[in-house]
Amino acid sequence: EIVLTQSPGTLSLSPGERATLSCRASQSVSSTYLAWYQQKPGQAPRLLIYAASSRATGVPDRFSGSGSGTDFTLTISRLEPEDFAMYYCQQYGSSPKLTFGGGTKVEIK
Amino acid sequence: EVQLLESGGGLVQPGGSLRLSCAASGFTFSVNAMTWVRQAPGKRLEWVSGLSGSGGSTDYADSVKGRFTISRDNSKNTVYLQMNSLRAEDTALYYCARRRGGELPDWGQGTRVTVSS
Repeated sequence: EIVLTQSPGTLSLSPGERATLSCRASQSVSSTYLAWYQQKPGQAPRLLIYAASSRATGVPDRFSGSGSGTDFTLTISRLEPEDFAMYYCQQYGSSPKLTFGGGTKVEIK
Repeated sequence: EVQLLESGGGLVQPGGSLRLSCAASGFTFSVNAMTWVRQAPGKRLEWVSGLSGSGGSTDYADSVKGRFTISRDNSKNTVYLQMNSLRAEDTALYYCARRRGGELPDWGQGTRVTVSS
């Protein structure tokens, strides 16, 4: 079973700062099947990044994804007030078929 | 515009059953794989089950295998999750999502399931 471990658990930053979120897999994950989501309280998750580095429709270019194998990163270049939220990575393909990481909360410092 | 509307959640006693529905619109339903994802209060997202566009291929998380059944009616653009032998740990907000490749670009707003006596 592939386990996705996200770090840090909480990231305390100020608007305008750069956020770097990590997602580490217990086994190699195909880059084609690594995605990132943003979730705000009371809302459904929103797809940000798919195939490790492709931005979903309508996602601002301050969001970028990178990585391969077992180490993936979501970077928010300059935090806007609306970016303070929970972020999850997700992989697809290996049993169990689809798994999520435990999440990173980006909070206002 | 893609829309996914879940229904069927509620309060049920341990050991009971519920059937969740997800009505889809705004895309060609029959060619899209669909999934159910749940989120217990304050917890991470957990994939529950998925099925192919035809409904011929299904997958389940170990935690629900043998108790939950996913199905779809492409004539009604609806996917279902039949949940039997419910346990307290099944309490969660259940989301329906469209799968495209390895990612979930579209989500419903969820339906809440509470298992309690």
